Amino acid sequence: DTGVSQDPRHKITKRGQNVTFRCDPISEHNRLYWYRQTLGQGPEFLTYFQNEAQLEKSRLLSDRFSAERPKGSFSTLEIQRTEQGDSAMYLCASSSVQGANYGYTFGSGTRLTVV
Amino acid sequence: ELKVEQNPLFLSMQEGKNYTIYCNYSTTSDRLYWYRQDPGKSLESLFVLLSNGAVKQEGRLMASLDTKARLSTLHITAAVHDLSATYFCAVDMSWNRDDKIIFGKGTRLHILP
Repeated sequence: DTGVSQDPRHKITKRGQNVTFRCDPISEHNRLYWYRQTLGQGPEFLTYFQNEAQLEKSRLLSDRFSAERPKGSFSTLEIQRTEQGDSAMYLCASSSVQGANYGYTFGSGTRLTVV
Repeated sequence: ELKVEQNPLFLSMQEGKNYTIYCNYSTTSDRLYWYRQDPGKSLESLFVLLSNGAVKQEGRLMASLDTKARLSTLHITAAVHDLSATYFCAVDMSWNRDDKIIFGKGTRLHILP
């Protein structure tokens, strides 16, 4: 098991472009989370999935953001019409249903820079 | 809305000294996590605290949880330079039927050689 994988590690995009990030969770984990972290701040919750169902979305997730987990395995986070304020580290985490007892495993993150 | 407050937010200390980082939270929870983050890196799990009175130790770090006081502490004993990093506490919301964790702003720890 290689842990939680995120791709790409870095993304530089021009304002107004669309970007998509991928997260591959630990295989036996059925819960998957997306967080966003800006410089000097703690990670902020964006959304989470249990299997393929998206169960909660934060107010931070504007209409320009969409996340999917089509087969309950990997997930994608898409940002449309990127803005400079979207520049951040996007972190993915996974856990099992009993995950609270073992913690949440985070991926290495995707650092997005919007220029 | 849950608030998670860490203090101090920044700590500069000399090697060999002891210090404590505090994490207060505003709603009922019986689970709390501590993570370490190095610059430009992701989050490394340090401790999972699952009940009131839980205490866990790993090397020079010791974490505790008091759910009645809604307080967790991360104690550093005889600090060494390698412990320089940002430390986050995160509170589990499942007590509130909300399956996510909420992070504090982090404590940036700088240990001077």
